[in-house]
Amino acid sequence: DTEVTQTPKHLVMGMTNKKSLKCEQHMGHRAMYWYKQKAKKPPELMFVYSYEKLSINESVPSRFSPECPNSSLLNLHLHALQPEDSALYLCASSQVPGGGVGTNYGYTFGSGTRLTVV
Amino acid sequence: ELKVEQNPLFLSMQEGKNYTIYCNYSTTSDRLYWYRQDPGKSLESLFVLLSNGAVKQEGRLMASLDTKARLSTLHITAAVHDLSATYFCAVVSSGTYKYIFGTGTRLKVLA
Repeated sequence: DTEVTQTPKHLVMGMTNKKSLKCEQHMGHRAMYWYKQKAKKPPELMFVYSYEKLSINESVPSRFSPECPNSSLLNLHLHALQPEDSALYLCASSQVPGGGVGTNYGYTFGSGTRLTVV
Repeated sequence: ELKVEQNPLFLSMQEGKNYTIYCNYSTTSDRLYWYRQDPGKSLESLFVLLSNGAVKQEGRLMASLDTKARLSTLHITAAVHDLSATYFCAVVSSGTYKYIFGTGTRLKVLA
């Protein structure tokens, strides 16, 4: 399995709702990431988990709450979001933080969750 | 703070023509990545460049890295319509886990 799986693919939520995004990988990667991408912009780093511990929080508002229950799973809990939070949320993983060893130094990205806040 | 800039931001080119996209970054990094993104889709990894002078080629795309100049190029040879997409370079800042994307180049190849 060489994929990062994200669910759901699409999510519409109200500003008072609580929802969660899920990301899963079974490649044995020990670093996982959340990125936010607005239309026609590059992805922006939100959080980095390194060996299941939060190592980087890029000053993300507390209405976004990440969780890494185990080495294969990464969640992003959403609460009281604003319409401007509507975006494509991408999860990624890498062998180790910052890249990896061997033939694949890159990050593997999931297909993303398209979030719309109404 | 690591900054990654690409130029041009937009590129419209005729099929069969050649062109180069440039990626400049502001601090030391030991690896650089190129990605392709189709509208509404996720990121597809194209190249990983790991050392100064590295050159990688796949089909009509060729990427190179000059770590001294902090510059990478993505050269397109004899463009075809299927290459229309947004191309991002990305850099890992040495000593951190931050993987920062360039501003992106939206490429449109006209038939």
